[in-house]
Amino acid sequence: GQQVMQIPQYQHVQEGEDFTTYCNSSTTLSNIQWYKQRPGGHPVFLIQLVKSGEVKKQKRLTFQFGEAKKNSSLHITATQTTDVGTYFCAGPQKLVFGQGTRLTINP
Amino acid sequence: EAQVTQNPRYLITVTGKKLTVTCSQNMNHEYMSWYRQDPGLGLRQIYYSMNVEVTDKGDVPEGYKVSRKEKRNFPLILESPSPNQTSLYFCASKGRLNTDTQYFGPGTRLTVL
Repeated sequence: GQQVMQIPQYQHVQEGEDFTTYCNSSTTLSNIQWYKQRPGGHPVFLIQLVKSGEVKKQKRLTFQFGEAKKNSSLHITATQTTDVGTYFCAGPQKLVFGQGTRLTINP
Repeated sequence: EAQVTQNPRYLITVTGKKLTVTCSQNMNHEYMSWYRQDPGLGLRQIYYSMNVEVTDKGDVPEGYKVSRKEKRNFPLILESPSPNQTSLYFCASKGRLNTDTQYFGPGTRLTVL
């Protein structure tokens, strides 16, 4: 079945540093979604990517979908303490989630 | 307000005592699912439902049951809970399977002693 792998599992940065998480699928994805879960909270939808090579930005967040539609990345520029949380990617169909990347930030 | 609700939010129970976690959404979504979240394992899908009376197994269905008699409700049933089912559970819904945002409930933290 469809599998989505996400790396790294954990990332600790100093406030102001950049952060990137990567998502890789064993199969071609029709789309990919990204979610953020704050500590103690529930996952919240961030964005959906559909097109090959697509790049979308939300303020300091940049999302990319690979040309082959098998991988994706989320990059945060100049992290802030509000970025703390776990970031998940999810493939379509049964919405298979990656393991998530937990981001912690040293203020 | 569009939302997914779950009850209870917290539950401590003992091995073998049947329990039900309710889930309800007010967005007329067809697709609903249950996930469990464990440290280091991310979100794993337990069961999903693509519409009323249509349910299917996710990745970790053992020890769980679900039903979808109405569009808005999707309860998760543990007939005989065991300690390895101690976890954080999320219900979620979305309008269409391959597109649309998935909305998550607030979560139910279950402890089985």
